[in-house]
Amino acid sequence: SQTIHQWPATLVQPVGSPLSLECTVEGTSNPNLYWYRQAAGRGLQLLFYSVGIGQISSEVPQNLSASRPQDRQFILSSKKLLLSDSGFYLCAWSRPGTAEKLFFGSGTQLSVL
Amino acid sequence: RKEVEQDPGPFNVPEGATVAFNCTYSNSASQSFFWYRQDCRKEPKLLMSVYSSGNEDGRFTAQLNRASQYISLLIRDSKLSDSATYLCVVKRYSTLTFGKGTMLLVSP
Repeated sequence: SQTIHQWPATLVQPVGSPLSLECTVEGTSNPNLYWYRQAAGRGLQLLFYSVGIGQISSEVPQNLSASRPQDRQFILSSKKLLLSDSGFYLCAWSRPGTAEKLFFGSGTQLSVL
Repeated sequence: RKEVEQDPGPFNVPEGATVAFNCTYSNSASQSFFWYRQDCRKEPKLLMSVYSSGNEDGRFTAQLNRASQYISLLIRDSKLSDSATYLCVVKRYSTLTFGKGTMLLVSP
């Protein structure tokens, strides 16, 4: 069966510090991978998605970047965090060629202070 | 106009009640539609897909009206465990767009 791992569960970072959130998927090959953010009182916002190694599509220009160094690994990064980067970050995967059903990781609650 | 709009609620209903949520979407080229459920501070999980002909899954019924560009979710015989936020989701090409969600609180 397929599983998705996302860590850490919570993170408190000072403004201006770097960020690295990692997500890995097991039990499937060549998944589509996604990073979403859910800010307080707002809906899920798609940040990045990837259909293959090294292929990253950015939906919203911002202070963040994503990388996919391996087939089942997706990393969200920032060089310098802003207060507005606070939120609930969710990694997700779907079967290749479809976004019909997303399977989400358990999320990372990021607080930038 | 936002791509997917929902009434944020909360909808407060007693156990056993029937409750309905609506959602509107702005892009007529949207291809597929879904309802996801999200418990507080947890990840969203797919509840059901929404088909043009309408579909039912136990106590849950979903409807799609393409002409009016709205989607509905009906929950019958509400349970305490139905308390959650229900997210309306629209697919276009390879990405999903989520509404902000409608919160449902079912009380004893």
